[in-house]
Amino acid sequence: GAGVSQSPSNKVTEKGKDVELRCDPISGHTALYWYRQSLGQGLEFLIYFQGNSAPDKSGLPSDRFSAERTGGSVSTLTIQRTQQEDSAVYLCASTQFTGDDTQYFGPGTRLTVL
Amino acid sequence: QQQVKQSPQSLIVQKGGISIINCAYENTAFDYFPWYQQFPGKGPALLIAIRPDVSEKKEGRFTISFNKSAKQFSLHIMDSQPGDSATYFCAATVQGGSEKLVFGKGTKLTVNP
Repeated sequence: GAGVSQSPSNKVTEKGKDVELRCDPISGHTALYWYRQSLGQGLEFLIYFQGNSAPDKSGLPSDRFSAERTGGSVSTLTIQRTQQEDSAVYLCASTQFTGDDTQYFGPGTRLTVL
Repeated sequence: QQQVKQSPQSLIVQKGGISIINCAYENTAFDYFPWYQQFPGKGPALLIAIRPDVSEKKEGRFTISFNKSAKQFSLHIMDSQPGDSATYFCAATVQGGSEKLVFGKGTKLTVNP
């Protein structure tokens, strides 16, 4: 079946602009995560959605970052007033949470802030 | 504070050799330890995972060794192949909550033919 998809695959923006990154999780997966992968820094948790529960926003680095998940499926990560240090690959993952704890990752969106 | 420390940063192995990547963690509440494999331009994919009630788990050429008292775990790749060349990440999480993964910084493995 289809895996996690993300769009766009690449995004180049100017410092100060807002960007929106999209994630389509695997159908039927109730949990969705956003991670950030910076060069040489591994993957860093950003935010987690599970069903109708309040999201875990503990990893968001600043109030310029926000995310929403509409209808329990598609999620959008928004970065306002982008800075050069926001340049990274943003990865989305989803999981079923019914005995299989595997997080399935999308291919990521590479964000470059000039 | 880095909760999962991974070493080495990079590793070069000859085809047929054994690749060993080590990780150490600090949070004793962690109870699930997956390893992810990532190829360039792709998202990470689960390779193998272990829970702390066992000391070793083997799947094909891949083995996780787990030492709970030392808070360390390692990935062994036997008979390494050029197709294994990728970046490997260890991770840890606490099950039952959000299960957000805490990742090591990754090891870039190169297997020479």
